[in-house]
Amino acid sequence: DGGITQSPKYLFRKEGQNVTLSCEQNLNHDAMYWYRQDPGQGLRLIYYSQIVNDFQKGDIAEGYSVSREKKESFPLTVTSAQKNPTAFYLCASSRVTATAEAFFGQGTRLTVV
Amino acid sequence: AQRVTQPEKLLSVFKGAPVELKCNYSYSGSPELFWYVQYSRQRLQLLLRHISRESIKGFTADLNKGETSFHLKKPFAQEEDSAMYYCALGLGGFKTIFGAGTRLFVKA
Repeated sequence: DGGITQSPKYLFRKEGQNVTLSCEQNLNHDAMYWYRQDPGQGLRLIYYSQIVNDFQKGDIAEGYSVSREKKESFPLTVTSAQKNPTAFYLCASSRVTATAEAFFGQGTRLTVV
Repeated sequence: AQRVTQPEKLLSVFKGAPVELKCNYSYSGSPELFWYVQYSRQRLQLLLRHISRESIKGFTADLNKGETSFHLKKPFAQEEDSAMYYCALGLGGFKTIFGAGTRLFVKA
């Protein structure tokens, strides 16, 4: 079953801790993305990657880090430096063209307690 | 700066009524525009893209470069159209930016 999988669905973190969100795709897409979804603000781009071992900062990269060691995987780490980490995080992938459709995961809801 | 504006956070219409979800963009290049939809408990998915000039589930959207708009329209709304709709702008390359979204509620 082709698609993009995020895990876990729900994640709780204590203040001051780093946490890593998983994103895996088997669509053979070169591009992968992380978005943050907050009520009334739409989707904001955190990081994106066009190719293995390369990634670029999006609009709100501060307090986040990523890696792209494999084409299929693009994990996002929310560090303790992120001031307001409680949010819904969406991972997506696409081919590398301007008209390409983005395929989204089901999302991870992160709550800092 | 590149920007996508969806002025309505919530749009409520009666079943059978026409619906128009507004989207305006700001981009100096040649825009690639999309509408994505998120139904309850489902993942965000592509509804349509301007380059395809297609009608999906009765929805159409026309790119108006003069008004920098890409409004989504449907002549007769159905209850199953209730969802969150996002307008998106594909920039040069593959980076995509999204609007804040409009929640459509179709009343019986």
